[in-house]
Amino acid sequence: EAGVAQSPRYKIIEKRQSVAFWCNPISGHATLYWYQQILGQGPKLLIQFQNNGVVDDSQLPKDRFSAERLKGVDSTLKIQPAKLEDSAVYLCASSLEGPDTQYFGPGTRLTVL
Amino acid sequence: AQKITQTQPGMFVQEKEAVTLDCTYDTSDPSYGLFWYKQPSSGEMIFLIYQGSYDQQNATEGRYSLNFQKARKSANLVISASQLGDSAMYFCAMREDLIQGAQKLVFGQGTRLTINP
Repeated sequence: EAGVAQSPRYKIIEKRQSVAFWCNPISGHATLYWYQQILGQGPKLLIQFQNNGVVDDSQLPKDRFSAERLKGVDSTLKIQPAKLEDSAVYLCASSLEGPDTQYFGPGTRLTVL
Repeated sequence: AQKITQTQPGMFVQEKEAVTLDCTYDTSDPSYGLFWYKQPSSGEMIFLIYQGSYDQQNATEGRYSLNFQKARKSANLVISASQLGDSAMYFCAMREDLIQGAQKLVFGQGTRLTINP
């Protein structure tokens, strides 16, 4: 069974530029999560989807971050405009249903210069 | 709010020895779940083991076991017969309930484990 796919694996941009990350969850998984992991810290949830609806986005900086999961399968996370403090690894995870074990993708390492 | 504490920033262990990684948690919910994940230098979070708050026995998965002490609110990970490939960051996480029946994971700060040959 294929795992969670993410692209790109690495991205370097300058501040005030825009960037987008893509995630394809494990087939059949209804719940999809985006986490931000700053160096030296544990992951922090940004947004959670159940199928194509947002369940929780309380920690998403909505002035610059946006995410969508239009067809209830793959998802895109966008940052516009990026700030230096957005440098982090962005992890996507999926689970069969909300309370089930979450399986993570390889992450996208973002560097904002 | 729920909280996870991992007090060991780093651990150094000789190959083939057993190692215990500490995790304490704080919650007022009677129902919760505890997870351990491994994060190698490649960055991917790998699920290791899960313990439910109502589980009567400690969880085990191969060389991994979870020493669950509910009264002390601790959920330590034990790795038996450590291997060089066990060198990684290890995160303890708790499942937190949200509205609408959804749940999320709250992670600790992590422990960096280094296995020496």
